[in-house]
Amino acid sequence: EPEVTQTPSHQVTQMGQEVILRCVPISNHLYFYWYRQILGQKVEFLVSFYNNEISEKSEIFDDQFSVERPDGSNFTLKIRSTKLEDSAMYFCASSGETYTNYGYTFGSGTRLTVV
Amino acid sequence: TQLLEQSPQFLSIQEGENLTVYCNSSSVFSSLQWYRQEPGEGPVLLVTVVTGGEVKKLKRLTFQFGDARKDSSLHITAAQPGDTGLYLCAGPFSGTYKYIFGTGTRLKVLA
Repeated sequence: EPEVTQTPSHQVTQMGQEVILRCVPISNHLYFYWYRQILGQKVEFLVSFYNNEISEKSEIFDDQFSVERPDGSNFTLKIRSTKLEDSAMYFCASSGETYTNYGYTFGSGTRLTVV
Repeated sequence: TQLLEQSPQFLSIQEGENLTVYCNSSSVFSSLQWYRQEPGEGPVLLVTVVTGGEVKKLKRLTFQFGDARKDSSLHITAAQPGDTGLYLCAGPFSGTYKYIFGTGTRLKVLA
């Protein structure tokens, strides 16, 4: 069964450092997303990406965040200057043609710990 | 604001019992999805319901979408320890590309 692959599974970083979280979505999917889940809290939308551009972003996704699809297969989330409150599980997801009715395939997540 | 509220928040039952969890909103959704999430893993899609009143079955799991498409339920028959996990409902936020997730029901099935 096709999978969404995320690396690394766990990243520890110093406050103020830049991190890049990587994702390989399912190859024939067209919509890509990043979500995050702070421990014990809801899954929160960060950003959606379609046709090589951001289609929507949340208020969480401020100037310190960016996304990129550099080579047609990888999908990355960069946090420029990490803060303690960025500690969370970050999930990449992708979906097929009809984003509303097919649901997402999620990756296993990257646990980001900012110290 | 579109919100999805799930109940109960926590549920601990014995193996073999039946249970129902609920996902409610004051807003209409074009579809709702149910996911199960295990600790340290991403949510795994179980089902999508699209039509008001729709019922879908996945082995011992029965999903129903409310007639008005504002709520959904998940019924598990003869629960097993392998059903343990966090059950999440999610739906597309009107007019956007994003999904919003419910608050989750954490289920524990005891052997």
